[in-house]
Amino acid sequence: DAGVTQSPTHLIKTRGQHVTLRCSPISGHKSVSWYQQVLGQGPQFIFQYYEKEERGRGNFPDRFSARQFPNYSSELNVNALLLGDSALYLCASSLKMGPTSSYEQYFGPGTRLTVT
Amino acid sequence: GENVEQHPSTLSVQEGDSAVIKCTYSDSASNYFPWYKQELGKRPQLIIDIRSNVGEKKDQRIAVTLNKTAKHFSLHITETQPEDSAVYFCAQGGGKLIFGQGTELSVKP
Repeated sequence: DAGVTQSPTHLIKTRGQHVTLRCSPISGHKSVSWYQQVLGQGPQFIFQYYEKEERGRGNFPDRFSARQFPNYSSELNVNALLLGDSALYLCASSLKMGPTSSYEQYFGPGTRLTVT
Repeated sequence: GENVEQHPSTLSVQEGDSAVIKCTYSDSASNYFPWYKQELGKRPQLIIDIRSNVGEKKDQRIAVTLNKTAKHFSLHITETQPEDSAVYFCAQGGGKLIFGQGTELSVKP
């Protein structure tokens, strides 16, 4: 059974460019979350999507956007890249979500983004 | 705002000893507390979690305790092995997970 997959593995971009990162959740999982992990720190929440709708957003600027497709895969887009956007971008999938319960989140291998 | 404090930031133990990592959270509405292990260059791996209706949970050499009154939870690893060496993150969550800063555990043979 395949786990969470992400592409690309590594990416080098120049300041001001935009980037699109992709994530495929575990089969049967309907919720995808995105996290940014800067070296030496814990992951920081960016977005959560469930059933193709945004269900949560972290403290990130509007340059960050995301969407979820009918097959539950997801894209994270970052515009006008800054040096500070260099990080490991992690996608996590979970079976579902609810207002008062939480379901295990399983992470993909991440995309290492370097902005020069 | 929501915040998770994790201590210690680094922990070095001898093989066979126990290791304890502690976290304190601020959001009293949280009901889900997972722990992740992240080896260098790899993805965070869920190793154990606990929900607010339970005070303790064990899985072989790993256990987690939760004190909702004091708003803290702890990871206990017994009989540590060199392969336990990694960075461990606690988190609190509902739809989103708020992570602690991580603990780098080193188990010396």
